[in-house]
Amino acid sequence: GAVVSQHPSWVICKSGTSVKIECRSLDFQATTMFWYRQFPKQSLMLMATSNEGSKATYEQGVEKDKFLINHASLTLSTLTVTSAHPEDSSFYICSASPPLTGPLSYNSPLHFGNGTRLTVT
Amino acid sequence: AQKITQTQPGMFVQEKEAVTLDCTYDTSDQSYGLFWYKQPSSGEMIFLIYQGSYDEQNATEGRYSLNFQKARKSANLVISASQLGDSAMYFCAMREAAGNKLTFGGGTRVLVKP
Repeated sequence: GAVVSQHPSWVICKSGTSVKIECRSLDFQATTMFWYRQFPKQSLMLMATSNEGSKATYEQGVEKDKFLINHASLTLSTLTVTSAHPEDSSFYICSASPPLTGPLSYNSPLHFGNGTRLTVT
Repeated sequence: AQKITQTQPGMFVQEKEAVTLDCTYDTSDQSYGLFWYKQPSSGEMIFLIYQGSYDEQNATEGRYSLNFQKARKSANLVISASQLGDSAMYFCAMREAAGNKLTFGGGTRVLVKP
């Protein structure tokens, strides 16, 4: 259980274009999803928390107008990299966990999609 | 300040031997969870093991065990009987009750030698 699907696995785009990445929870409903970015040989850095039916919460230093997040349903969150530039080339990975009621959500591991490798030329 | 610190950038381990990956954390929250993930070269993040801040017993999951020392704020991962397929990046992570976010350490690359 707790499968998260991410699409596409890899994408190459030209500088200035926009790219949309989808993250789906296949067997559970996710009111919250998380988007991470990982540069080569580095750790995962949280970009934003995607909340179903409300605005995403962005981490400090992440441009909300450049990385548009839409969490329109309980099973789908999308990340759109707008006007992509070569420095946006990275590995983007989403995650979610089945919801727990009350204050116990910290007990629940996040399950990750397989990631999207974005290359901007 | 770093919330999760993994001091070993890389390690070699002989096949069939055990290896310990260090992880220390920093939090003022009383309620938190500690997690270890494996990331092979293909990129996916594989959840390995979890330890809750209130758990008194060390977590075990097959060949993985977590050496949890709460007073020292450490949560080291022990992999027993290493296999070639264990070669990967390993990340320690923490999820605090207050923030709900999962924060990762810098990772440790493990290479298992035949």
